[in-house]
Amino acid sequence: GESVGLHLPTLSVQEGDNSIINCAYSNSASDYFIWYKQESGKGPQFIIDIRSNMDKRQGQRVTVLLNKTVKHLSLQIAATQPGDSAVYFCAFRAGGTSYGKLTFGQGTILTVHP
Amino acid sequence: GAVVSQHPSWVICKSGTSVKIECRSLDFQATTMFWYRQFPKQSLMLMATSNEGSKATYEQGVEKDKFLINHASLTLSTLTVTSAHPEDSSFYICSARDNGRWAGNEKLFFGSGTQLSVL
Repeated sequence: GESVGLHLPTLSVQEGDNSIINCAYSNSASDYFIWYKQESGKGPQFIIDIRSNMDKRQGQRVTVLLNKTVKHLSLQIAATQPGDSAVYFCAFRAGGTSYGKLTFGQGTILTVHP
Repeated sequence: GAVVSQHPSWVICKSGTSVKIECRSLDFQATTMFWYRQFPKQSLMLMATSNEGSKATYEQGVEKDKFLINHASLTLSTLTVTSAHPEDSSFYICSARDNGRWAGNEKLFFGSGTQLSVL
C-alpha cells in the first residue's frame, strides 16, 4: 500500500544552522507534496508545497527538493531558529484522488538549541 | 488567511457517552472537509472525507457507525464519536479546502485539533 517514511525521526540542531528533513514515499503516482509544521497540541501548519513537475521550490528560509527518481522529498530550513522547533510532516496526494485527500509521513521532531 | 475553527479544543468524557466535535470554515465555503486522527508521537491518519449534502466517505478500517459525520452546510462539519471508549482517546483534527479562492489549490486549512480523553 501507500507509505511515506522518514530517514530521521529526530533532528537536533544549533540555532543558526541549516536543517534538512527527509521523506521517502513509495507511490509513484504521487503528484503533489506538502510539508507541514505541527507544534504541540495544534493542527498542522502549511510550510511549502511542490508539484511533481518541479524538482525544487523555495520559500522564505525554506526549500523543498523533490527527486522523483528515488521517490525522495526533503525540506531545508536555513538559519534555523528556536521557533522552528516542532514536528515536521511530509504529505502527498496520489494522482487521481480527491483534492485534499492526503497521506502523511511519520514525522520528524526538530529541536533547535539556542 | 483562511481560518478553520475546531471546537472543543479538548474534552473529557465517561466511557459509553458520545462526543461531538465541530469544524467550521470561518471565511470561506468548503464543500469538502477531512477528519484525521492522531495518536501521541504518531502521524495523522485520514479517517473520512466529509461531503456537504451527501454521505461521508470513510477510509478502510474506520467504523462509520462509530464515527458519525454530518456536513449539513458549506461551513460546518461535525464528527460524533458514539459510545466512546478509552481506546478512542486521541487527537482529532479537521481540515477544509476552500471552494472558491483556492479552487484547484491544494493548500488545505487545518483546525487546531480536539484532544479527546475517554475515562
